[in-house]
Amino acid sequence: ETGVTQTPRHLVMGMTNKKSLKCEQHLGHNAMYWYKQSAKKPLELMFVYSLEERVENNSVPSRFSPECPNSSHLFLHLHTLQPEDSALYLCASSQVGTGNYNEQFFGPGTRLTVL
Amino acid sequence: AQSVAQPEDQVNVAEGNPLTVKCTYSVSGNPYLFWYVQYPNRGLQFLLKYITGDNLVKGSYGFEAEFNKSQTSFHLKKPSALVSDSALYFCAVRDIGNYGQNFVFGPGTRLSVLP
Repeated sequence: ETGVTQTPRHLVMGMTNKKSLKCEQHLGHNAMYWYKQSAKKPLELMFVYSLEERVENNSVPSRFSPECPNSSHLFLHLHTLQPEDSALYLCASSQVGTGNYNEQFFGPGTRLTVL
Repeated sequence: AQSVAQPEDQVNVAEGNPLTVKCTYSVSGNPYLFWYVQYPNRGLQFLLKYITGDNLVKGSYGFEAEFNKSQTSFHLKKPSALVSDSALYFCAVRDIGNYGQNFVFGPGTRLSVLP
């Protein structure tokens, strides 16, 4: 939509499966984010990468494992998920630096259903 | 800690009437405030931001927001609502946590514009 793409757009998985979500940003940004959006709950920040280094991990269960191989790509590896992990997973990117107050650009999200 | 509140879960307005979506904030230091919109099955789209300067900020799609320091508010406004404005609106504030580039989002307000 705005230079941030996510695949797949929809994913259904069993609790014993292993899958990965992919995010790619085409904006030349140096920071990327994973958010979880559940019904009736505020957006939850999960992970932040800046210059490919993880700088934030908001007490996310270990069944979620992020990977940022370069500044344009971000993955979220999933394994042994629970039904309560079903949600919309949003990726975002931004340009960060001293004195910058830039907005984040979001991808369209991956709708995850855990059976 | 930084926080934002959106006191209304739902706002209904007739097409052609002015609309207001409310946001109040609580921050340490200077507030850096943002509005985003989310259409069904889509990611968040940036509308506008307040960093400093003029208290009336103009953004995308005819939206504007008024920063009021004494009332710690940053309400989103539009002079004449369109049915296509119906969506979920999020207010956000820049967090000053460890990294300082994270956002804290409000719970969202669902806007319905009735024809």
